[in-house]
Amino acid sequence: NAGVMQNPRHLVRRRGQEARLRCSPMKGHSHVYWYRQLPEEGLKFMVYLQKENIIDESGMPKERFSAEFPKEGPSILRIQQVVRGDSAAYFCASSQGQVNTEAFFGQGTRLTVV
Amino acid sequence: AQSVAQPEDQVNVAEGNPLTVKCTYSVSGNPYLFWYVQYPNRGLQFLLKYITGDNLVKGSYGFEAEFNKSQTSFHLKKPSALVSDSALYFCAVRDISSGKLIFGQGTTLQVKP
Repeated sequence: NAGVMQNPRHLVRRRGQEARLRCSPMKGHSHVYWYRQLPEEGLKFMVYLQKENIIDESGMPKERFSAEFPKEGPSILRIQQVVRGDSAAYFCASSQGQVNTEAFFGQGTRLTVV
Repeated sequence: AQSVAQPEDQVNVAEGNPLTVKCTYSVSGNPYLFWYVQYPNRGLQFLLKYITGDNLVKGSYGFEAEFNKSQTSFHLKKPSALVSDSALYFCAVRDISSGKLIFGQGTTLQVKP
């Protein structure tokens, strides 16, 4: 049973380009969470999705960031017109959804904006 | 709103000594609490959780955590620390209303030989 798969592991983008981060949840998991981690900082919640639905996007910046989790395929976190401040590690986690279940994390995508 | 706090940025212990990493929480209703560990350049690994039942929860790699309702704490413990336990540790609480996990700021554990 493969764990949470994120790709790419490393992504370099020039300022103004688009970044697409992919996350395939664990088998049987229909809930996905995205977090951002800046160097020497903790995990900041961005968005929580269920298949085809956004449950909570309270941590998403209002502009340039979007997320989806389609019926088929991975969840995508999309950052348009990237800026240097977007450089961070982005982690995806998945769970079965019940409040008493743990979430499992992917290895993360490290985005560097040059 | 649900929240957790980790009051220590760093904890230093000698190998073989017991370790404690502190976490306090603030929730409305029953708390669902979790501990995770992060090694450098890796994702988070689940260690243990408290849902209900015994206040002492046992988890992976010899870690355990003690739930204390009166002190609203969920401290992570290990009787004998290993150098390989050196990592970043996160406490988390489940937000009941939305289902998302809310993390503390993390505590770096340094175990010296």
